[in-house]
Amino acid sequence: EIVMTQSPATLSVSPGERATLSCRASQYISTHLAWYQQIPGQAPRLLINGASARATGIPARFSGSGSGTEFTLTISSLQSEDFAIYYCQQYDDWPFTFGPGTKVDIK
Amino acid sequence: EVQLVESGGGLVQPGGSLRLSCVVSGFSFTTYWMTWVRQAPGKGLECVAKINQDGSQKHYVDSVVGRFIISRDNAKNSVFLQMNSLGVEDTAVYYCARAQGVDWGQGTLVSVSS
Repeated sequence: EIVMTQSPATLSVSPGERATLSCRASQYISTHLAWYQQIPGQAPRLLINGASARATGIPARFSGSGSGTEFTLTISSLQSEDFAIYYCQQYDDWPFTFGPGTKVDIK
Repeated sequence: EVQLVESGGGLVQPGGSLRLSCVVSGFSFTTYWMTWVRQAPGKGLECVAKINQDGSQKHYVDSVVGRFIISRDNAKNSVFLQMNSLGVEDTAVYYCARAQGVDWGQGTLVSVSS
């Protein structure tokens, strides 16, 4: 099973600031990496697919990069609605696995 | 508009069974494989099972092998998860998702408790 790790566990950011979230896979996954946003009490929402392709309707302030085993999600200027938990997921090999999440909260 | 609507969750005793359903609309159901993902209270996300477009290929996470069965009815745009021999560790919100998570339902809560 591919193990996904994320850092940091919690990121405290002021509105308007930039946030950088990291995700690492325990083995090579090419660009088979997705990022999700989850607001407590709601279903996850796909932000990024294929490591860098924004999903339909996702604002341009969200960007993804990386390949192989190291990946990054960047939120260029945090808005109030962006404070949430972010998960990365590999879908290179079954079982598809998620990282433990990064909680982005208000500084 | 893409919609996925799960149903069938509830409270069940350990060792019991439940059958979850997910009805989809707004996309070509037969084009996509489907996934069930669960989230235990206050915990992260876990892919439980996936099924290919015609139902001929099914995969399960190790913890549910031999207990859960995924299936689909393409005529009814529906995917199912039959869950048997449930344990307290299966307590979670269960989501159905298009492919690996392109779209998600609102989830259905399964509580296993005596």
